[in-house]
Amino acid sequence: AQSVAQPEDQVNVAEGNPLTVKCTYSVSGNPYLFWYVQYPNRGLQFLLKYITGDNLVKGSYGFEAEFNKSQTSFHLKKPSALVSDSALYFCAVQHTGRRALTFGSGTRLQVQP
Amino acid sequence: DGGITQSPKYLFRKEGQNVTLSCEQNLNHDAMYWYRQDPGQGLRLIYYSQIVNDFQKGDIAEGYSVSREKKESFPLTVTSAQKNPTAFYLCASSQQGAHTEAFFGQGTRLTVV
Repeated sequence: AQSVAQPEDQVNVAEGNPLTVKCTYSVSGNPYLFWYVQYPNRGLQFLLKYITGDNLVKGSYGFEAEFNKSQTSFHLKKPSALVSDSALYFCAVQHTGRRALTFGSGTRLQVQP
Repeated sequence: DGGITQSPKYLFRKEGQNVTLSCEQNLNHDAMYWYRQDPGQGLRLIYYSQIVNDFQKGDIAEGYSVSREKKESFPLTVTSAQKNPTAFYLCASSQQGAHTEAFFGQGTRLTVV
C-alpha cells in the first residue's frame, strides 16, 4: 500500500527565515508526489509535483521541494517565509494504478511577523 | 472562469436524513473525486470517477453514494447509514493523462444536528 507521512503537526517560523515542511513516502514502484496548500475553510491549491527528472522541483509562490529517493522524502521548502504563507500544507502520493491521490495528515505552518 | 463549484457551502442534516452535495466543473475534466476531511486526518477518498457512467469506491465509501450521469457533474449523497457524517467534504477533478494535478472546489461543511 502507498502512503505518505507528515511527521510534524505544526511548524513555526519567523518571517524572512527559511522554512521546511517534511514529508516521507512509502510506495511500490515510482513515486509521483504532490504538495497542496489549504487556507481556512477553503479547498486545496496545487503547489508543485515530482514525476521524474530533477530532484529539485520549483512551484508556485516561491515554494520548491526536494525529492530524495534514498531517504524516501519530499520536503517542501521556501528560502524566505511570509506571514501570508501561514496555512495547512498537504503532501500526497499518486498510485500508478489509481489516479486519485493519497494524502498525508497535513502540517500547519505558522509564520510569525 | 473555469473551475469547480460545490454547493451548498454549509449544510445541516438531521439524524436519519439523506443529503446530497453538489459538485459541478467546467474544466472539461474526465476524472472527478470526493474526499472527506476531518481534523488531524488529512483527506480520505470516498468515491472517484474516471469517466461518465462509471465510478469506483475509495477508501471510506460506506454510507455514501454517487452518480456520474454527466461529465461536468458528480453529486455525493450522504445516507443515513453514514454514522458520523459531520465533516468537510471536498470535490476535485483532473484531466485525462497520467500524473496530472487535481483541482479542488471550495468545500461543503456538513453538520449533523
